Amino acid sequence: EPEVTQTPSHQVTQMGQEVILRCVPISNHLYFYWYRQILGQKVEFLVSFYNNEISEKSEIFDDQFSVERPDGSNFTLKIRSTKLEDSAMYFCASSEKVWGHPLHFGNGTRLTVT
Amino acid sequence: KNQVEQSPQSLIILEGKNCTLQCNYTVSPFSNLRWYKQDTGRGPVSLTIMTFSENTKSNGRYTATLDADTKQSSLHITASQLSDSASYICVVEDYKLSFGAGTTVTVRA
Repeated sequence: EPEVTQTPSHQVTQMGQEVILRCVPISNHLYFYWYRQILGQKVEFLVSFYNNEISEKSEIFDDQFSVERPDGSNFTLKIRSTKLEDSAMYFCASSEKVWGHPLHFGNGTRLTVT
Repeated sequence: KNQVEQSPQSLIILEGKNCTLQCNYTVSPFSNLRWYKQDTGRGPVSLTIMTFSENTKSNGRYTATLDADTKQSSLHITASQLSDSASYICVVEDYKLSFGAGTTVTVRA
C-alpha cells in the first residue's frame, strides 16, 4: 500500500537555525498538509497546499514557516529561525480529494530545538 | 470556537475485553466525523469516516457510531488485542479538520 514518507525521522537543531523537513506524499494525491504535535498535546493544523500554492494556514504558520513543492514528488516545510517552542513532531499528510477523504499521514519528523 | 472533546483521557483494559471511547463535538455544520488510531511515535491512521447521515460504520473490530442530533460519536473496540494499545483520535470536519486530544488505550495481557 502506498504511503507518505518523511525524512529525517529525527532532527536536532540549535535555536535560531533553519531546518527543512521533507515529505514524499502519495503519488496520485493532490492535497498536501503539515501538522504538528507537541509532546502530549493534540495534533494541530499548520498549512494545506494545493495546486502549487497554500490553500489555508493556521495562526501557528507565521512568517518563520514556509512550504514548497520543489518538484513533482517532494513537499517541504522550512522553519527559518527555530525557537525552543518549535520542538514537536511534524507530520506531513496527503489526500486524494479535499472533502471526505482520509488523510494519509507520514510517521513524522521529531524536531528537537536546543 | 469549534471543539472536539474526548473521554476518557486514558483507559486500561484486559486483552479480549471490549471498550468504548466517546467524542462530543460542537462543530456545526459538519460534513464528516473521523476516527484515527495513532501508535506511539507514528502518524495517525484512518479507521473510519462517517458523514452526517451515517449512524454506524465498522472496520474490523472497530465500530464507530454517530448521533448528529446530540453531536456525539463513539468508537467501540471489540475483543481487544495488545496491538490495539494506541491513542484514538476523533476528528470532525466542517471546512477544516478539528482534532480531539485523543484517548490513550492500554491493553494488558
